[in-house]
Amino acid sequence: DAGVTQSPTHLIKTRGQQVTLRCSPISGHKSVSWYQQVLGQGPQFIFQYYEKEERGRGNFPDRFSARQFPNYSSELNVNALLLGDSALYLCASSFQGYYEQYFGPGTRLTVT
Amino acid sequence: DAKTTQPNSMESNEEEPVHLPCNHSTISGTDYIHWYRQLPSQGPEYVIHGLTSNVNNRMASLAIAEDRKSSTLILHRATLRDAAVYYCIPIQGAQKLVFGQGTRLTINP
Repeated sequence: DAGVTQSPTHLIKTRGQQVTLRCSPISGHKSVSWYQQVLGQGPQFIFQYYEKEERGRGNFPDRFSARQFPNYSSELNVNALLLGDSALYLCASSFQGYYEQYFGPGTRLTVT
Repeated sequence: DAKTTQPNSMESNEEEPVHLPCNHSTISGTDYIHWYRQLPSQGPEYVIHGLTSNVNNRMASLAIAEDRKSSTLILHRATLRDAAVYYCIPIQGAQKLVFGQGTRLTINP
């Protein structure tokens, strides 16, 4: 079975630009969560979606937004990029939002 | 969110057992104890979880103290592939995962 997939793998953007990251969950998983991992630190929770509704939001500014589509895939959008947004963005899916989460390989975003 | 304390790093030898400790003294009665690990250049990977009783799966064993204020992840025969950062995460139901700094495990051949 295919795992969680994310695209693109790597991305380079300039300060002030906008970026959209994409995630496809494992088949049958209806919950998707997004995490940001800055180099040398553990992942930090950004959003959780279940059945297309936002179920949780971490301590991130409004420049960060997300949505989940009817096929349960998800997009994370970040506007007005800052240098500090450079990080690995991880997507995780889970069955009915419970217990173990399965992570994708991440999208490495570099803001210059 | 319950606070966790883990050693910054540990080292072991291949084919030997490894015991990774975690202190979570502020854990609530309904928090499950989850362990994830992150191999280099990969996303985190679920390892095991438990509530009160010790748990075993194909990857590892989880020993939970009777007062639930600490737990130990046990890798019975470490391999080079087990070199990773290991995170202990108390979590209730479908709540977000709160990752700390974790323990960086090095396995010597």
